[in-house]
Amino acid sequence: KQEVTQIPAALSVPEGENLVLNCSFTDSAIYNLQWFRQDPGKGLTSLLLIQSSQREQTSGRLNASLDKSSGRSTLYIAASQPGDSATYLCAVSSNPGGGNKLTFGTGTQLKVEL
Amino acid sequence: DTGVSQNPRHKITKRGQNVTFRCDPISEHNRLYWYRQTLGQGPEFLTYFQNEAQLDKSGLPSDRFSAERTGGSVSTLTIQRTQQEDSAVYLCASSLEGLLDNEQFFGPGTRLTVL
Repeated sequence: KQEVTQIPAALSVPEGENLVLNCSFTDSAIYNLQWFRQDPGKGLTSLLLIQSSQREQTSGRLNASLDKSSGRSTLYIAASQPGDSATYLCAVSSNPGGGNKLTFGTGTQLKVEL
Repeated sequence: DTGVSQNPRHKITKRGQNVTFRCDPISEHNRLYWYRQTLGQGPEFLTYFQNEAQLDKSGLPSDRFSAERTGGSVSTLTIQRTQQEDSAVYLCASSLEGLLDNEQFFGPGTRLTVL
């Protein structure tokens, strides 16, 4: 059974700092990996999707890497801003039967302070 | 494209009552997923549809939970005889097979409170 772990569980940084969020998964037979952002009381916003054959994806100040063989992904946020404060969730998809259902970690709660 | 919508946004019910939630996926998305999220946890998979067919319901916690997707678009999730442990946020997601590697887009969720 796939298990996804995110470290740290919570992080508080001053504005402008670069930071790294970590995600690890136990079964390397994944189809893709998605990073999401969740604001309090809201749904999930997809940030980046990395296919299993890719090593990294970039979107603006965000860069996500994937090392499938070691079961790890990182989300790098450059020049953090207070608006980046949210919970960040990592999810891996498996493809038994073609469903690509997602298995999520418990998230990293990020607070960026002025 | 207005995104995935869900209603109601909040539902408070008494233990033993039945509840039904609705999900409107992004138009033309042929895949639809239901997940459940409890406080401090990541979402957990419940069930998955491709068009009208429910292809995976391995995550449904008991036979009190059922889902359907008539017409291959709107989906409903029903919980019969609700219990306090059913309190959670129920999230719906949709995707288009073959597009963007099946990236899933989520709705805002329905928060269920069972008293």
